[in-house]
Amino acid sequence: ILNVEQSPQSLHVQEGDSTNFTCSFPSSNFYALHWYRWETAKSPEALFVMTLNGDEKKKGRISATLNTKEGYSYLYIKGSQPEDSATYLCASIPAAGNKLTFGGGTRVLVKP
Amino acid sequence: EAQVTQNPRYLITVTGKKLTVTCSQNMNHEYMSWYRQDPGLGLRQIYYSMNVEVTDKGDVPEGYKVSRKEKRNFPLILESPSPNQTSLYFCASSLSRGLLNEQFFGPGTRLTVL
Repeated sequence: ILNVEQSPQSLHVQEGDSTNFTCSFPSSNFYALHWYRWETAKSPEALFVMTLNGDEKKKGRISATLNTKEGYSYLYIKGSQPEDSATYLCASIPAAGNKLTFGGGTRVLVKP
Repeated sequence: EAQVTQNPRYLITVTGKKLTVTCSQNMNHEYMSWYRQDPGLGLRQIYYSMNVEVTDKGDVPEGYKVSRKEKRNFPLILESPSPNQTSLYFCASSLSRGLLNEQFFGPGTRLTVL
């Protein structure tokens, strides 16, 4: 089983501040990485699918980078808003397989 | 509206009573998957399917069965549920089998096995 780790497990951010957090995954046999946003009492929603080393993706105030050689991805939230409060999940997909392994998530709470 | 539906949304049952949780998607997606979510353990993949009649085990398949007889449906079967299968279950689908596309998740099924 792949070991996908996210840190920190949780963080509190003041409204308007920017923040970032990490997803670590095995760099060998890498195929793709997914990021999802999961609000309480809802279902996870996709943010990004990343495949190439050096990839950068952006959606509004949220962006992500990918380093496949060292096995990590950063998710950034610029100018955090209360509606950004959610758990952010990453999932790693190895090559020659269609299994996903999720990290434990980073729970973000944005304080007004 | 493009969506993944699951039924039932909530279920309380007793040990050993066979149950099926249905999952259906209307997006003509090839890939479908089941996950369970438990506190402190995150989302774990139970089974997945890359196409009709093609299914494979995820990381926690014990105690579960699936079938994929039609592209749109991917039911999860618990032949003899046990209390350790009490969990929140999500079905998800993705356009292509290679998972280079995002997954769309259903609303979740909260199962309690007494």
